[in-house]
Amino acid sequence: QKEVEQNSGPLSVPEGAIASLNCTYSDRVSQSFFWYRQYSGKSPELIMSIYSNGDKEDGRFTAQLNKASQYVSLLIRDSQPSDSATYLCAALSTGNQFYFGTGTSLTVIP
Amino acid sequence: ETGVTQSPTHLIKTRGQQVTLRCSSQSGHNTVSWYQQALGQGPQFIFQYYREEENGRGNFPPRFSGLQFPNYSSELNVNALELDDSALYLCASSLLTGELFFGEGSRLTVL
Repeated sequence: QKEVEQNSGPLSVPEGAIASLNCTYSDRVSQSFFWYRQYSGKSPELIMSIYSNGDKEDGRFTAQLNKASQYVSLLIRDSQPSDSATYLCAALSTGNQFYFGTGTSLTVIP
Repeated sequence: ETGVTQSPTHLIKTRGQQVTLRCSSQSGHNTVSWYQQALGQGPQFIFQYYREEENGRGNFPPRFSGLQFPNYSSELNVNALELDDSALYLCASSLLTGELFFGEGSRLTVL
């Protein structure tokens, strides 16, 4: 099993809908998790981090961490066309190494 | 507060050549890490430097090497370039166990 796994998609949602992005992780990573957004041809930019079990909200974004199921998700409410990008899930290992998933491509249809 | 800057942004090399990529870290950050991102893939960890010492290394051969300088800027050197080394090389700065902040990347093409 890879350290971090994501469904590569593509995922398409209509404008205004909720986009749900998911990620699973292995025992080799620690309990620090991050979501990055990457526009085509650009570098990843941090959306949010989550360290504790439960939900963390920041504006239209909510990250959810379920340690028992080794599952991290990102919900984007009121999706906008500008949210169309690849979303990368990342986790920090006990050796201070970041592992990234392959990314999920999201398209928000106007 | 200055962000992470990388140079050059694009470069073309031929197989067997050597390349040096440079990165200036974000103000206040003491850790720099380098990633290789092939098309359609997530970033793959190459190595990390903390206070001028290599602090972790991914599954990359020794021809990938690096340095971190006292001002926390960093270099990535790749010797004996291969076609598969063509990728976007990303530098990220952070505090040791903190969130990564990426530069715009250096896109390397090996012919």
